[in-house]
Formats: sequence, C-alpha cells, structure tokens
Amino acid sequence: SQKIEQNSEALNIQEGKTATLTCNYTNYSPAYLQWYRQDPGRGPVFLLLIRENEKEKRKERLKVTFDTTLKQSLFHITASQPADSATYLCALGLSNSGYALNFGKGTSLLVTP
Amino acid sequence: NAGVTQTPKFRVLKTGQSMTLLCAQDMNHEYMYWYRQDPGMGLRLIHYSVGEGTTAKGEVPDGYNVSRLKKQNFLLGLESAAPSQTSVYFCASSYSIRGYNEQFFGPGTRLTVL
Repeated sequence: SQKIEQNSEALNIQEGKTATLTCNYTNYSPAYLQWYRQDPGRGPVFLLLIRENEKEKRKERLKVTFDTTLKQSLFHITASQPADSATYLCALGLSNSGYALNFGKGTSLLVTP
Repeated sequence: NAGVTQTPKFRVLKTGQSMTLLCAQDMNHEYMYWYRQDPGMGLRLIHYSVGEGTTAKGEVPDGYNVSRLKKQNFLLGLESAAPSQTSVYFCASSYSIRGYNEQFFGPGTRLTVL
C-alpha cells in the first residue's frame, strides 16, 4: 500500500541549531514533492517544491533534498528561531490526479530559546 | 487579494442534517480541492476539480458531493451529516501550469456533527 511517513514524535531543538525533518514514502512515483507549514488553527502554507529530477532546493534558511532512490526527502531549517515552531507537512504530487497532493501526517517542531 | 476564503468558519450540525461549505478564490486558479483533516490522519483529499464544470473523487469522497459552477467557487455538500464527518475542512486552489502546483489553502471550517 502507499505510505507517506513523517516523524510522529515532536522535534524539540534549541534556537540557532539546524532542524532536520524527514519524509519517507513507499509505493509512490511522485512527479514532485512539497513542504508546507501549518500553524494551529490555520491552513497549510506552501514553503518549497522540488521536482523528481532535482536533488536539492534552497530558499533563505530552508533546504530540501529529494532522493528518489531512497524514496526520501529531508527538510532543513538552519539557524532555527522560536518563530519556526509549527507543524511541517510533506506532500507528494502525482501527475495522474489533477496534481492533487497526498500529504503526510506532519511533524511538530518546537524551537526553544 | 483575499486569496482563498471559506464560509462558514464553524458549524455544528445534528446527525442527518445537510449543509454546504463554500470556498471562493480570487486568483483565477483552474484547480480547486477539498480536504479534511483529522487528528492523527493528516490531510485527506475528498474531491477536486480541474476546471469549471468538472469534478473528480479523491481519497475519501463518500458522503460528500461537490459542484464547480463558477471558476472561482467550489462547493462541498453534506446531504445527511454523520458524526464521522466531524472534522476540519480545508479548501485549496492552484495554478494549472504543468509541473508547478503550489496549493493555496483557506483558513478552514471546523464542523462538528452531534
């Protein structure tokens, strides 16, 4: 069966450190992978998209890697800040369903001062 | 631009009642989606639309109907609400450009079915 797995346990890190979140998938051949941020009581907000033929993407303090052989994406936040505390969702985009996304359950990140 | 808006923000229904959730977007997006989010389950796709007048089923379509009569609006209907439909519902929209599908989400509707 198809699965998208993100760390179910919350990730607690100290301000200034690099946070690394993992997204693993099985039985998918995604055209691309996206990362979203979700704050309590709000809708997800898009952060980064990486296509199947790309290895790495960066945006300011954010970096995403995509390894289609390992079927894994890593999401890094460098120089983390308390304002980065949120739930982060990974989502796979398939080319045969109107580009609808299949979401993982998300990982909660808490950055403490 | 208001982006994606959802009406209402909160609603409480009794089992068997019906209601319609309205989603509107002002970004001229072709694609629109309805998701539900439950604790421990993540976001699950209910129905989606690739253009005005077209709809398709997602992962969990049972008990829901949708309509896309105007490009900017996507309606989600519950004909006979059940407690299992208690959830937070999110609408989203996206561009139609192939290979680029950033989705813009609304603020959500929290629905409780008693």
